[in-house]
Amino acid sequence: DAGVTQSPTHLIKTRGQQVTLRCSPKSGHDTVSWYQQALGQGPQFIFQYYEEEERQRGNFPDRFSGHQFPNYSSELNVNALLLGDSALYLCASSLLLLASNEQFFGPGTRLTVL
Amino acid sequence: AQRVTQPEKLLSVFKGAPVELKCNYSYSGSPELFWYVQYSRQRLQLLLRHISRESIKGFTADLNKGETSFHLKKPFAQEEDSAMYYCALSAGNNRKLIWGLGTSLAVNP
Repeated sequence: DAGVTQSPTHLIKTRGQQVTLRCSPKSGHDTVSWYQQALGQGPQFIFQYYEEEERQRGNFPDRFSGHQFPNYSSELNVNALLLGDSALYLCASSLLLLASNEQFFGPGTRLTVL
Repeated sequence: AQRVTQPEKLLSVFKGAPVELKCNYSYSGSPELFWYVQYSRQRLQLLLRHISRESIKGFTADLNKGETSFHLKKPFAQEEDSAMYYCALSAGNNRKLIWGLGTSLAVNP
């Protein structure tokens, strides 16, 4: 099991563009959470997907949207990119029905907005 | 509001010295608390969770509900412990993780 995988590793975009980031969860996991980690900060929760639906959302604008597919993989889309969207985007997977909310993380996608 | 505070941005100790990384949380219910570690050029990985009450790589952490703390401790630091350490909180049915800003631990030879 390769664990949680994310693609691409790095991405450079310009302001106003749109970006799609991808995540494959750890085998056996059904829940995917996305986090944004700015330089020098802890991760900030964006949203979580379970059964192909957004289960909960953090304080991020509607420019941030996502999707989960039947195979549990997920995408994060960001529209109308701003310079402040430059960050490391982390995907984490977990099993919703487990009592523990232990989450397994991917390596992240480094997004740079110029 | 739910919040995690890690008061030290950087902690520098010598090899063999004891180390304590502080974590305080704000939550009125029963939280689930984690320590995650990120070694250089590696992904975030779980180090400890309070419900398992285990010792990993010599590290322990005890949940103190009275002081709302979950400090990470190790009696004798090793150079390979140098990494970024994050404390995270999961509150009730809310399955998101709330994170501290992290503490960079440097263990000097």
